[in-house]
Amino acid sequence: SYVLTQPPSVSVAPGKTARITCGGNNIGSKSVHWYQQKPGQAPVLVIYYDSDRPSGIPERFSGSNSGNTATLTISRVEAGDEADYYCQVWDSSSDLYVFGTGTKVTVL
Amino acid sequence: QVQLVQSGAEVKKPGASVKVSCKASGYSFTSYGISWVRQAPGQGLEWMGWISASIGNTNYAQKLQGRVTMTTDTSTGTAYMELRSLRSDDTAVYYCARDGSTGPESFDYWGQGTLVTVSS
Repeated sequence: SYVLTQPPSVSVAPGKTARITCGGNNIGSKSVHWYQQKPGQAPVLVIYYDSDRPSGIPERFSGSNSGNTATLTISRVEAGDEADYYCQVWDSSSDLYVFGTGTKVTVL
Repeated sequence: QVQLVQSGAEVKKPGASVKVSCKASGYSFTSYGISWVRQAPGQGLEWMGWISASIGNTNYAQKLQGRVTMTTDTSTGTAYMELRSLRSDDTAVYYCARDGSTGPESFDYWGQGTLVTVSS
């Protein structure tokens, strides 16, 4: 089955840039979606189809995808960005959805 | 506005079954599929399966095949997820999530989650 690997944690100072990676075999050939989950809450879609933002998501959130790595970038990080972040793909070969292992973002 | 409202928390004994509901509103129910995703305490997200709200065809995660059944009631706009032969490692928050409006590969709206506790 298809595996998505994320770093367990990323720490960033307020106002700086956080980059969260999502590794998978030839992930650049798939569409990657990103979710933000705060404690006790349901996940929220922040990036879809690699780099598109749903309405209401700040422009500070951006995404890219190439080769074996997709990246979620959070610019000008704020305290409210502290959360767990998950990448997700649909694996067409197995017709299954797959989530990454998740990354906890801590704002210092 | 789009809303997915799930049923309340459940406590079950090992070997029992649980059925969680997810009532949709604010959109045409049969126009989008519904996935179920669970999250064990302190763990990540696990996709369980998907159901077409229009024709009812399903696609389940291999590890749950034979124990899970997903259904919909188009008359009430409600999706259901039943999990049988419950074990302690089925203790988790269960979410329903709607296919994305820009394409079915993402989930753009989520229910609030239902905690299912399996304990003797």
